[in-house]
Amino acid sequence: RKEVEQDPGPFNVPEGATVAFNCTYSNSASQSFFWYRQDCRKEPKLLMSVYSSGNEDGRFTAQLNRASQYISLLIRDSKLSDSATYLCVVSALNSGGSNYKLTFGKGTLLTVNP
Amino acid sequence: GAGVSQSPRYKVAKRGQDVALRCDPISGHVSLFWYQQALGQGPEFLTYFQNEAQLDKSGLPSDRFFAERPEGSVSTLKIQRTQQEDSAVYLCASSWHRDRGQKNIQYFGAGTRLSVL
Repeated sequence: RKEVEQDPGPFNVPEGATVAFNCTYSNSASQSFFWYRQDCRKEPKLLMSVYSSGNEDGRFTAQLNRASQYISLLIRDSKLSDSATYLCVVSALNSGGSNYKLTFGKGTLLTVNP
Repeated sequence: GAGVSQSPRYKVAKRGQDVALRCDPISGHVSLFWYQQALGQGPEFLTYFQNEAQLDKSGLPSDRFFAERPEGSVSTLKIQRTQQEDSAVYLCASSWHRDRGQKNIQYFGAGTRLSVL
């Protein structure tokens, strides 16, 4: 079982649609949670960190459920420019007490159509 | 402002050749990371430096892979005797804080796309 699993996708939605991405992680020691977006043939870029209380940034809302080891990302009123691969990312404390290694999901491709 | 810079952007190597990939992190960033991203997959951790010290190399797939950061800034990832399975995008990332949980944001370079023929 992979450490971070995401919806396989791809998702094709019309402009203005609401789309939700789901992610589960297996390491209960995970401490930090992120969503990154990656455009085709580009580097991953941080979209938002995910906090236990849930957090919102404009049209984007992220949720974390530590008990279920589940992370979600909701995009409202999707735009053409939202087309990208969305990567669920976690990092966990290692045996030395450090928290730096990012573990990525496979990513879910989103295409927003006009 | 300058982000993480990687060179070359593309590298074609014949099987068995040695290659060297360079990463220039954001100025002043303490931590530097290398990741390998195969086609259709998410990036996978290779190794981590804090300044010039390589603190974790657990993700390096074999002893043909070697990374260094001798002066705590620029880093080089070297792959000896390349194999076809080494074909991937090699991403470098840097961050300011050593490890500060949610503040440990890693900024990625555009990567080097390695094709081994």
